[in-house]
Amino acid sequence: DGGITQSPKYLFRKEGQNVTLSCEQNLNHDAMYWYRQDPGQGLRLIYYSQIVNDFQKGDIAEGYSVSREKKESFPLTVTSAQKNPTAFYLCASSFRSGTGRSYEQYFGPGTRLTVT
Amino acid sequence: GQNIDQPTEMTATEGAIVQINCTYQTSGFNGLFWYQQHAGEAPTFLSYNVLDGLEEKGRFSSFLSRSKGYSYLLLKELKMKDSASYLCAVKLRWGSQGNLIFGKGTKLSVKP
Repeated sequence: DGGITQSPKYLFRKEGQNVTLSCEQNLNHDAMYWYRQDPGQGLRLIYYSQIVNDFQKGDIAEGYSVSREKKESFPLTVTSAQKNPTAFYLCASSFRSGTGRSYEQYFGPGTRLTVT
Repeated sequence: GQNIDQPTEMTATEGAIVQINCTYQTSGFNGLFWYQQHAGEAPTFLSYNVLDGLEEKGRFSSFLSRSKGYSYLLLKELKMKDSASYLCAVKLRWGSQGNLIFGKGTKLSVKP
């Protein structure tokens, strides 16, 4: 079955530690995204990548870093510089615009990160 | 700036019809998406409108008026499992991926 996986579902870390969230997709999608969701807020874009070895900052990239070495994988690192890291993190993927295919975003199940 | 407005919460009765509105003021427009999100889960795609008018898909329909910056999601024959948050999202520009702007979502509660 094709889909997007994120692991782990729950993650706990101490303040000051970097943590990496995993995101893998086997949908053959070109583009991948990371969002953050906080209570009462809409999804906010952290980073996105349209192709391998290329990525762009979203609206709230400070304190985060990403890599896109493989088409299937787009890991997100939450660094100690992120002031409020506790949140629900969602990874998504889609086909690229202009390819003639529908490009709605498909979401993974999310990782709930708690930093204390 | 970009602005997408939806009601925060709505309540409806099982078997009834409910309309969830979304208004937007954005710097560009290349389509509007509706997603459903159950608590603690990932959003799932419901519909996409890029031209004015109504798109029907089973019990769910979505309407768009670009001149008014307005969309709605219509849910018919409500079921208890429709209790979820409904997210409206605008894609700003053609050909660019990282510009889907989400509203804060409408939490719908369906009561027996």
